[in-house]
This record gives sequence, structure tokens and C-alpha cells, in this order.
Amino acid sequence: DTEVTQTPKHLVMGMTNKKSLKCEQHMGHRAMYWYKQKAKKPPELMFVYSYEKLSINESVPSRFSPECPNSSLLNLHLHALQPEDSALYLCASSPRQGFDEQYFGPGTRLTVT
Amino acid sequence: GESVGLHLPTLSVQEGDNSIINCAYSNSASDYFIWYKQESGKGPQFIIDIRSNMDKRQGQRVTVLLNKTVKHLSLQIAATQPGDSAVYFCAEKGDSWGKLQFGAGTQVVVTP
Repeated sequence: DTEVTQTPKHLVMGMTNKKSLKCEQHMGHRAMYWYKQKAKKPPELMFVYSYEKLSINESVPSRFSPECPNSSLLNLHLHALQPEDSALYLCASSPRQGFDEQYFGPGTRLTVT
Repeated sequence: GESVGLHLPTLSVQEGDNSIINCAYSNSASDYFIWYKQESGKGPQFIIDIRSNMDKRQGQRVTVLLNKTVKHLSLQIAATQPGDSAVYFCAEKGDSWGKLQFGAGTQVVVTP
């Protein structure tokens, strides 16, 4: 299995909702990443997990809460989002943090109404 | 801050021709560069990478050139096909934390 999967593909939520994005990989990678991508812009790093521990938080607002329950799973919990948080949320993984190539999932298209 | 950028935001190329996508970087300490292809509605897909101790690397129909003197990176696609239509991002890794710094992206449009 050489892919990163993400669910759901699309998500529409209100500003008072709580939802979660899920990411999974079975490549044995020990570093996992969350990126946010706005239309026609490059991905922006949000969080990095290394060996299930949060390694990097790029000053992301607390309404985004990451979680890494085990080495294969990465979640992003969403609460009280704003319309400007609407974007494509990408998950990526690499064998280890600092390892060069990152493998990206297809993303979750999030719309906040 | 330092950044990776692209010279051309949109590149229109005729099917069968060769494409060249350019990228400028400013962090002289970057030791690894990568090109990603992103099709509409999909995540970035690895195309090819190159380390700073190399000047050129070839893949299937793609070649990456690195000119460290002028801090320039390019991606060449041979015999461009309709399936090559996508946004292409260059990215650099300049530290050990694994943070990739992405360029702005180039939209490649292949015309018949």
C-alpha cells in the first residue's frame, strides 16, 4: 500500500459545528503532516507529527486541533471555524521527519458556511 | 523571509512540444528540491527530485536541472501530453525539520 487516504472527500459545515478530518497511511511512515491549500495557492504547512508526537505547529488557531492516535492515523478536529477556513486540507506522510519526499493524500475539500 | 518562486504563472504548450517550467529559490542552504504535479481536485503528486550535489536528474519524460550559481531550478517535460495539464509546484527543503517551502505554482495548459 503506497498511498495516503483521506476522508471525507468533501465536507460542508456550519460555524458552530464540530467535525473531524481523517488521514491514514500504511507505508510505515513515522512523520505525518497537515497542510491547508487555498485555491490557486501552494500548500501551507499547519502541523507536523513525528512518532505520534506533535513536532511543529505553524501558529495555527486553536479551532484546529490535530491528533495522532497511532502511527497510521492522523486526525484534524475542527470547531467554530470561520468561512475563511474553507480550503483543501491535505495530509502527507514521510518515512521520518526531515526525510525529503512527502507523499500527499487527495485532500478534503472543506466549506464553512 | 526566504521563498521559492516561479517566473511564469501560466504556460500554454502545444501537444507534442517540450515544456519548461522555471523556479527561482533564494535559500542557498537548501539541499533538496522537488517537483510536484497537482491536477484539479487532487493532492500534489511527486514527479522528480534532485539534491544540491547534482546538476541534472532524468526521469520518464521529465528532467530537472539545478543551477546553484543563480539559484534556479527547472522542470522539462518532453513531448507534452494532454494529461500533463496541471499546476506544477517546485519545493525546497532548507532545514532538517522536514519543512517544504513551496513555490507559487505554474499552471500548464496543453492545447491540441
